[in-house]
Amino acid sequence: AQSVTQLDSQVPVFEEAPVELRCNYSSSVSVYLFWYVQYPNQGLQLLLKYLSGSTLVESINGFEAEFNKSQTSFHLRKPSVHISDTAEYFCAVSVYSGGYNKLIFGAGTRLAVHP
Amino acid sequence: GAVVSQHPSRVICKSGTSVKIECRSLDFQATTMFWYRQFPKQSLMLMATSNEGSKATYEQGVEKDKFLINHASLTLSTLTVTSAHPEDSSFYICSASSGQRNQPQHFGDGTRLSIL
Repeated sequence: AQSVTQLDSQVPVFEEAPVELRCNYSSSVSVYLFWYVQYPNQGLQLLLKYLSGSTLVESINGFEAEFNKSQTSFHLRKPSVHISDTAEYFCAVSVYSGGYNKLIFGAGTRLAVHP
Repeated sequence: GAVVSQHPSRVICKSGTSVKIECRSLDFQATTMFWYRQFPKQSLMLMATSNEGSKATYEQGVEKDKFLINHASLTLSTLTVTSAHPEDSSFYICSASSGQRNQPQHFGDGTRLSIL
């Protein structure tokens, strides 16, 4: 069965410092991977996705994630974070189950950026 | 990006009341819609999945008579929490998808339900 593990429940970091949020998945088939961000009392916003092709994917606000098949990882990185990046980040893998294409989410990582 | 509107954003009501939450895809046809429940500081728990015009498929442990889902059109799905009780208080989030595995789900902003 597919699963997603986010190793860190909380990541505190100072503004302008680099950050990495870790995500590992387990799947016996080809995968589609996603990172979503959730701000307080809001739904989830798609940050970036890996479907195929280049293993490095980037978002418009400076985040990037690298798909590593051998390590079954899809870690999220940003070289310099802002206060506004404070949010909950969810890694997810798309699976086909019960006749539907569903998302399996990790437990989430709370990124707290301090001045 | 695709826009999904969820309404209302917050509901406070008395125990025993039934509450309806709407989820609309505003700029694309949502073949499949999903309803999630999120407890404080936790991940999203999938409650049910529905295709337009057919009955919803509920995840194990989710009471289908308690959480009624209707997906009447390609742009609208509703979740009705029937005879709500304090333990039903939670953050409910919908998402919409074209149904293809390589397409992301687009999420509404969620509904904070508080049952007194």
